[in-house]
Amino acid sequence: AAGVIQSPRHLIKEKRETATLKCYPIPRHDTVYWYQQGPGQDPQFLISFYEKMQSDKGSIPDRFSAQQFSDYHSELNMSSLELGDSALYFCASSSRMGHFGWSNEKLFFGSGTQLSVL
Amino acid sequence: AQSVAQPEDQVNVAEGNPLTVKCTYSVSGNPYLFWYVQYPNRGLQFLLKYITGDNLVKGSYGFEAEFNKSQTSFHLKKPSALVSDSALYFCAVSSDNDYKLSFGAGTTVTVRA
Repeated sequence: AAGVIQSPRHLIKEKRETATLKCYPIPRHDTVYWYQQGPGQDPQFLISFYEKMQSDKGSIPDRFSAQQFSDYHSELNMSSLELGDSALYFCASSSRMGHFGWSNEKLFFGSGTQLSVL
Repeated sequence: AQSVAQPEDQVNVAEGNPLTVKCTYSVSGNPYLFWYVQYPNRGLQFLLKYITGDNLVKGSYGFEAEFNKSQTSFHLKKPSALVSDSALYFCAVSSDNDYKLSFGAGTTVTVRA
């Protein structure tokens, strides 16, 4: 079965550079979430999209932006990178048409993009 | 605000012994509870969830978890651990008041042969 695909798997950038992470959700999933997991940390929610509109915003820095496109894939754009941005960035997708409704949807996670800022 | 606590950073068990990973939560409203597992260099994988119904939930790979409302707990259990169960386990909660998942800090499970 198709899973959530993230690209690239690994990314090395220098301070003040920009980075773009991509997420391709499971087919027919309409909701995408972005999480950031620092070394030894639990995943922190950044931002989510439902039907191409931002649905919620968490601890996402102003230097970051994201969007969901018409084909439901999402991109996380990161500018003016800092050393502290080094982390594993997860994308997750779900469908709000689940049996129990949107508030208890099961998330399917991608393998993540490991970003290293030097 | 909702939160999850996993009181143990590490759990070490011998293969064949029972495995328990503890999780307590705090939410306003009805909780929806999840367990995820993370293997090295891999994404989070869903194990099981509690939404409503039976307090004992069975999931993937022989894992189960028991929802205890009075103790606000959702401990993950496996009757007989395998070496391949060694991984990082995350408990997560959402609710009918806040659909975002909030994750615990994670518990590293090591199963020795």
